[in-house]
Amino acid sequence: GAVVSQHPSRVICKSGTSVKIECRSLDFQATTMFWYRQFPKKSLMLMATSNEGSKATYEQGVEKDKFLINHASLTLSTLTVTSAHPEDSSFYICSAVLAGGTDTQYFGPGTRLTVL
Amino acid sequence: SQKIEQNSEALNIQEGKTATLTCNYTNYSPAYLQWYRQDPGRGPVFLLLIRENEKEKRKERLKVTFDTTLKQSLFHITASQPADSATYLCALEEKRSARQLTFGSGTQLTVLP
Repeated sequence: GAVVSQHPSRVICKSGTSVKIECRSLDFQATTMFWYRQFPKKSLMLMATSNEGSKATYEQGVEKDKFLINHASLTLSTLTVTSAHPEDSSFYICSAVLAGGTDTQYFGPGTRLTVL
Repeated sequence: SQKIEQNSEALNIQEGKTATLTCNYTNYSPAYLQWYRQDPGRGPVFLLLIRENEKEKRKERLKVTFDTTLKQSLFHITASQPADSATYLCALEEKRSARQLTFGSGTQLTVLP
């Protein structure tokens, strides 16, 4: 149980385009999902906290207009990287917390974004 | 300033030995400390969670200790196997946070056959 999927697993796009990444909790409901990015050989950096039915809370230094987050249902959160640039290339990972459960975060497999 | 340090970036051990990984933190008041495993190109996988009032937790070949006086957690893998080779991340959840985790930079463990 507690499986989280991400789609796509890899995406390559041209500079200036927008890319949407989906995060789904497959077998549980998640009132809270988190979005992280990870650079090679570095740790996960929290970008934002996504709560179902409300606006996301962004960490300091993360541009909310560039990284649009929508948490429309208890099983789906999306991250849209708008007007992507090469410096946005990274590994994006989401996690979900089981509604009514403990504080364990269940992570998706990640999405590798490459902006040319 | 707040820091979470996993003070070995890489650790090589021989198969069958016990691997011990260290996580130290400063200027945090953690409610929980968690350990995750991450394989290349994959998301982290939850291993163990230990609460501030717990000293030790075990799960099969894994053992975690938590010393809030020393501000340190130790993660042990006994009878290590090459399949245990991965990056191991510690993560803190502070008492004031809304289930947010702050991660250490990880230790890359290689178990040599």
